This record gives sequence, C-alpha cells and structure tokens, in this order.
Amino acid sequence: DSGVTQTPKHLITATGQRVTLRCSPRSGDLSVYWYQQSLDQGLQFLIQYYNGEERAKGNILERFSAQQFPDLHSELNLSSLELGDSALYFCASSQGPSRSYNSPLHFGNGTRLTVT
Amino acid sequence: DAKTTQPPSMDCAEGRAANLPCNHSTISGNEYVYWYRQIHSQGPQYIIHGLKNNETNEMASLIITEDRKSSTLILPHATLRDTAVYYCTGGNRDDKIIFGKGTRLHILP
Repeated sequence: DSGVTQTPKHLITATGQRVTLRCSPRSGDLSVYWYQQSLDQGLQFLIQYYNGEERAKGNILERFSAQQFPDLHSELNLSSLELGDSALYFCASSQGPSRSYNSPLHFGNGTRLTVT
Repeated sequence: DAKTTQPPSMDCAEGRAANLPCNHSTISGNEYVYWYRQIHSQGPQYIIHGLKNNETNEMASLIITEDRKSSTLILPHATLRDTAVYYCTGGNRDDKIIFGKGTRLHILP
C-alpha cells in the first residue's frame, strides 16, 4: 500500500460530460502529480502541485484543470470529454517540491476513465 | 519528452540477475536518478534511487556511472513476479518528472 488514495477506481461517462478525479496524498507529502496513461502507452505527465501551488505543467489539455486544496488533497477536472480521454489517470505524491529532492514518487492505484 | 533512453524490452531467465540499463546523459548535478516499475495496469511502484553512489535495498541494486550519464538497475534473483515495465527518470527540465516508455522485462521460467 503506497498510502496514496485515488477515487473513484472506475468511472464510465459519456462524451461531452465533466468528471472530477480525487487524490489524497501520503501523510506528510506536499507534492501531488497527475499522470495520464492511455492503453499500452507510457505515463504522460499532466501537472504538479506543491503545497497548494502549481509547480510544473506538462501537456495538459485546456479542457483539463487541477487544484490542490489546503488539506493537500488534489482534484483533476476533465470537461467536454472525448473518446480519446479514456485512460488510466494516476496520482502520485512526494515530500519534496522538485526532481532534485531526495524524495521518490508514490503512486495511487489510478482511476480508470471510460468515455463512451 | 523524456530525456532517458532504455531498451524497449529484455528477457531474463528466472533465478538469474536482471540488469536493466538507462541512459540519462542530460542529468544535472543535483538531480537524483529514480527507478520505478509498473506491473500490468497497477500504479507504478518505487524501487530505488541514487545521486552519485551505488545503492542497494531489499528490492534491487543501483549502479550509477562516475559521470552520472547512465545507470543500471540490478534485480539479483529475478522471479516471475518481476515481470513488469521498468522506468528510470532523470535529466528532465523544469522540474517535470517525465517517464519514458521504459523497458518491458520478461522473466522466462
């Protein structure tokens, strides 16, 4: 058990809809990262938050947004969903703010999103 | 884009040592090298990390070259449960932790 909790585990929705994915980081971790993994693809970095502030941004679509709340949990909002958004969405947390920090990522078990 | 290079796949006989290479030639001086693995569609699992010195833990050993441009993850006695995709990270810009396509390790019985 990594200590990172993602909900829901599965989500099925229709095109054009909006969904919210939730992530609770490990106790003591201040950074939260979001990744997208499509079928048989690698992990695509979306965005990172550190202690409530956006820290780094990847190729995140404008239809997607995220935030980290004062209690450090994070939410990833996906809107105007398209079939191509079907994927596994992983959240990870770490203690430090950057890749130079002596702090590994710990991943949740992901949310499997299916857009029909 | 990822700044690491790994072979797309490798085979290893069960019980033998699996040596997985990674090239991270753009790594900066204060950046750690991390290794993770992903079994099927589970969340990636942290394995080991290092800065300059070689490291060992209960899962694996990490050998980093003196110039820090490459590293090797060693699984000393591979089992079928080690079948997974292995990722190394390092050399990314702007604090983005980017994963490449990794190495798919097949353990042969």
